Amino acid sequence: GQQLNQSPQSMFIQEGEDVSMNCTSSSIFNTWLWYKQDPGEGPVLLIALYKAGELTSNGRLTAQFGITRKDSFLNISASIPSDVGIYFCAGPGRTSYDKVIFGPGTSLSVIP
Amino acid sequence: GAVVSQHPSRVICKSGTSVKIECRSLDFQATTMFWYRQFPKQSLMLMATSNEGSKATYEQGVEKDKFLINHASLTLSTLTVTSAHPEDSSFYICSARLSTDTQYFGPGTRLTVL
Repeated sequence: GQQLNQSPQSMFIQEGEDVSMNCTSSSIFNTWLWYKQDPGEGPVLLIALYKAGELTSNGRLTAQFGITRKDSFLNISASIPSDVGIYFCAGPGRTSYDKVIFGPGTSLSVIP
Repeated sequence: GAVVSQHPSRVICKSGTSVKIECRSLDFQATTMFWYRQFPKQSLMLMATSNEGSKATYEQGVEKDKFLINHASLTLSTLTVTSAHPEDSSFYICSARLSTDTQYFGPGTRLTVL
């Protein structure tokens, strides 16, 4: 079945550093979604990408839809303590466009 | 932005009892809602798709008689965990579909079964 892989699994960075995380799939996705989940909360949509090659920003966040449609990356610039959380990539399933498949997540810790 | 609420946010119950969790879309109508389960340090796993006015569609391995879903209106879906056991303890999250490929998530419900 469709699976998403994320790397790295976890990151520990100093406040102010830039962050880059990756999401890959063995199959093509037509939409890439990036969510952030704070501890004990539901995921919040950060960025949605709809077109191969698309580069989209949301404040300090930038995400790109890979040209092969099998990968996407998310960058966070000048990290701050509130960036702490788990970042999930996600995409609609092949068999049902409604179903969203989530990657395993990248856990980000920011050291003040 | 679109807001989805869940109630309760936290529930502790005895083994064998049933627990109902509500999911509401506050500022939009959702014909489709989704229920996820998340174990500690794991990703979200889709349990079922809830469709307004019709039966829910369950993912493979999810017992429909144990996890009862009702989507009686365009803004409310409920998940009832029947005869809960300690292994059902988890973080349950709902989402509501706003557009074809965008879902907004509720804040989650932490269920602890003693």
